[in-house]
Amino acid sequence: SQTIHQWPATLVQPVGSPLSLECTVEGTSNPNLYWYRQAAGRGLQLLFYSVGIGQISSEVPQNLSASRPQDRQFILSSKKLLLSDSGFYLCAWSGGGYGYTFGSGTRLTVV
Amino acid sequence: LAKTTQPISMDSYEGQEVNITCSHNNIATNDYITWYQQFPSQGPRFIIQGYKTKVTNEVASLFIPADRKSSTLSLPRVSLSDTAVYYCLVGSRGAGSYQLTFGKGTKLSVIP
Repeated sequence: SQTIHQWPATLVQPVGSPLSLECTVEGTSNPNLYWYRQAAGRGLQLLFYSVGIGQISSEVPQNLSASRPQDRQFILSSKKLLLSDSGFYLCAWSGGGYGYTFGSGTRLTVV
Repeated sequence: LAKTTQPISMDSYEGQEVNITCSHNNIATNDYITWYQQFPSQGPRFIIQGYKTKVTNEVASLFIPADRKSSTLSLPRVSLSDTAVYYCLVGSRGAGSYQLTFGKGTKLSVIP
């Protein structure tokens, strides 16, 4: 069966520090991968999606970037975090007919 | 991508049936309707998906009228553990592109 792993679960980072969140998928090949962000009390905002290795589409221009170095690995990065980058970050994959499967999320607090 | 409209919040007592309606007036022919459930600090979880008429699983039922411009998620006999945000999404299936846009969802509060 397919599983998705996302880490870390929580992260507290100072303003101006770099960020790297990693997501990996098991049990499937060539998945579509996504990064979402959810601010407190808000809906989910699609940040990036990828349909293959090295293929990244950005939905919202901002302080973040994404990379897909391997088929089942998706990384969210920032060179310098802003306070507004705080939120709940979710990785997801799709590849079949039932939409997304989400990871457990990373709670990022920028201080 | 079809836009969806659903109530921001709903309250219900334990044991009642809850119906959450979602409007999607510009749904495309190839679009499916999918509902997700999200608990605080967790990722959304798939509940049910349908294309037309009625779909039922062990968790919920999904009613879709013939014009498909709306859909209703029905949760039978809710319990406190059903308190969550429920998202309605429409989009086409397929491995090539299944990009969905999440709205703000409906926050369901179940009252004892």
